[in-house]
Amino acid sequence: AQKVTQAQTEISVVEKEDVTLDCVYETRDTTYYLFWYKQPPSGELVFLIRRNSFDEQNEISGRYSWNFQKSTSSFNFTITASQVVDSAVYFCALRGGAGGYNKLIFGAGTRLAVHP
Amino acid sequence: EPEVTQTPSHQVTQMGQEVILRCVPISNHLYFYWYRQILGQKVEFLVSFYNNEISEKSEIFDDQFSVERPDGSNFTLKIRSTKLEDSAMYFCASSALEQAKNIQYFGAGTRLSVL
Repeated sequence: AQKVTQAQTEISVVEKEDVTLDCVYETRDTTYYLFWYKQPPSGELVFLIRRNSFDEQNEISGRYSWNFQKSTSSFNFTITASQVVDSAVYFCALRGGAGGYNKLIFGAGTRLAVHP
Repeated sequence: EPEVTQTPSHQVTQMGQEVILRCVPISNHLYFYWYRQILGQKVEFLVSFYNNEISEKSEIFDDQFSVERPDGSNFTLKIRSTKLEDSAMYFCASSALEQAKNIQYFGAGTRLSVL
């Protein structure tokens, strides 16, 4: 079975703090993809990053960084120097297998509130 | 930048009525999906569609649901006889054929309220 666990339901930080959102996944597939999506208060789902199971290189994009560790089945997301605009629900998702049409399995999401 | 477009943004209907949610996927994408999100809960997969047929469907996607690509641009989700528990945000997504570009891009969603 495939599963994504985001244990942190809600996180509250003050602007400029660093914050890490945890994601742990389960899959038996050897080929799989991991994603992060952002859902701002307006409700849409915004793609942030995709990682495949063969690429454990960490990635940095501006204030965002992602740490993928197969040994612990984790794909954590860190926001450096958080801003109020980062307030949103963040979803980690898993797509198993190599099939192009395979579904995304979402975690329950972590609601991040960044206060001025 | 190309985007997935969903209409309407909000649909209110009476229990037992049929609704059709519409989506215009990104133009060169060939895989299409519907997901739903009950208020405050996780996003759940409903169905995937490729080459004019359903590729996979979840347990949620029962006989009351159907999908169609009536022309070259639209992708629709029909709920034949809505129930109160169908109230949710419904997201359409699309992705490209190439594995390297296989990211699912989502529309802004249609909020369905069944009264």
